[in-house]
Amino acid sequence: EPEVTQTPSHQVTQMGQEVILRCVPISNHLYFYWYRQILGQKVEFLVSFYNNEISEKSEIFDDQFSVERPDGSNFTLKIRSTKLEDSAMYFCASRREGMSEQFFGPGTRLTVL
Amino acid sequence: KNEVEQSPQNLTAQEGEFITINCSYSVGISALHWLQQHPGGGIVSLFMLSSGKKKHGRLIATINIQEKHSSLHITASHPRDSAVYICAVREGKLTFGTGTRLTIIP
Repeated sequence: EPEVTQTPSHQVTQMGQEVILRCVPISNHLYFYWYRQILGQKVEFLVSFYNNEISEKSEIFDDQFSVERPDGSNFTLKIRSTKLEDSAMYFCASRREGMSEQFFGPGTRLTVL
Repeated sequence: KNEVEQSPQNLTAQEGEFITINCSYSVGISALHWLQQHPGGGIVSLFMLSSGKKKHGRLIATINIQEKHSSLHITASHPRDSAVYICAVREGKLTFGTGTRLTIIP
């Protein structure tokens, strides 16, 4: 069964460094999402992406964040200069056109030291 | 901004018990999702509802659009049902509840 994959599963970085979190959505899906979950807190929407552009973003998704679909399969989240408070689990999700169900990846745990 | 509240926050029950988890929201939505988050962190979609009731195996989800309320029921609960259950409402983006941590004791 097709699934959303994410790499790496765990990323440790120093404050101020750039990180790129990678996602491979399900191949026939056209809508892509990034969410984050700070430890012990609820999942929060970051950004949605369709047709090679951002369709919606939250107030969390400031200029430090960017998303890209560099090729036909990957969907990336870049954090330019990480802060301690960026430490969280980051989930990618995708869905098909015309369907509401989103399929989530296993997440990347980002630790900023 | 939609406020999504879940109750209870934590629930411990004996194997075999009937489980109910509730979700309420403040603003009209296009759909409501029930998700399951495993101890390792992975999230699985259980249901997407816009009206009425859906059943999948031992899981039943209902929604009352007028009352802005949804329930997730688990019949004949089993230790493998132990997880965090999350309600999320869709109005464009998803807004998540804080989750209900369910523990089923053998």
